[in-house]
Amino acid sequence: ELKVEQNPLFLSMQEGKNYTIYCNYSTTSDRLYWYRQDPGKSLESLFVLLSNGAVKQEGRLMASLDTKARLSTLHITAAVHDLSATYFCAVAYTGNQFYFGTGTSLTVIP
Amino acid sequence: GAVVSQHPSWVICKSGTSVKIECRSLDFQATTMFWYRQFPKQSLMLMATSNEGSKATYEQGVEKDKFLINHASLTLSTLTVTSAHPEDSSFYICSARDPARWDTQYFGPGTRLTVL
Repeated sequence: ELKVEQNPLFLSMQEGKNYTIYCNYSTTSDRLYWYRQDPGKSLESLFVLLSNGAVKQEGRLMASLDTKARLSTLHITAAVHDLSATYFCAVAYTGNQFYFGTGTSLTVIP
Repeated sequence: GAVVSQHPSWVICKSGTSVKIECRSLDFQATTMFWYRQFPKQSLMLMATSNEGSKATYEQGVEKDKFLINHASLTLSTLTVTSAHPEDSSFYICSARDPARWDTQYFGPGTRLTVL
């Protein structure tokens, strides 16, 4: 059974702090995506990770992929309030279907 | 990134009526679109995969006669919720796959359906 798990589910952190969100998946895949969702809104594409060891950075967010460990991380550096949202990882499998993680709800406190 | 529109964004209807939701890829051609359902504070649940010019592939447990999907062109897919009931109330989100951008799925803004 395909499973995509994220940790933690909920995260409250102070501005200026660093933290990492983890995405574990159960079956081999070579494509992993990160999305952001604001309350009541749809999903915004953040990163596409296509190979083992891939690292992408945009502003205060950095994503990495370890296909051997079936693990992706989303690292937040010096968090700011604007980063408050729910973050989803999604793993691509046969037929280009995405299997979404459980989501991590991030709240950044001033 | 690529732009996907969805219409309507919000609809309230009476029980027993049908509701059509449109999903359009505005600046790229999408041979494959997807329809998801999302409950409050939960992840996305894939309902069906919509392929241009062919029948949709439904996920297990999704009634194809209730959720009619049509993908008549490379930029348009529609989802019709037939004989809607209150339990069909949900946030429906479509996405379109862009093969030119590593098969990234770009999501529409979503449609919030409330069935009275």
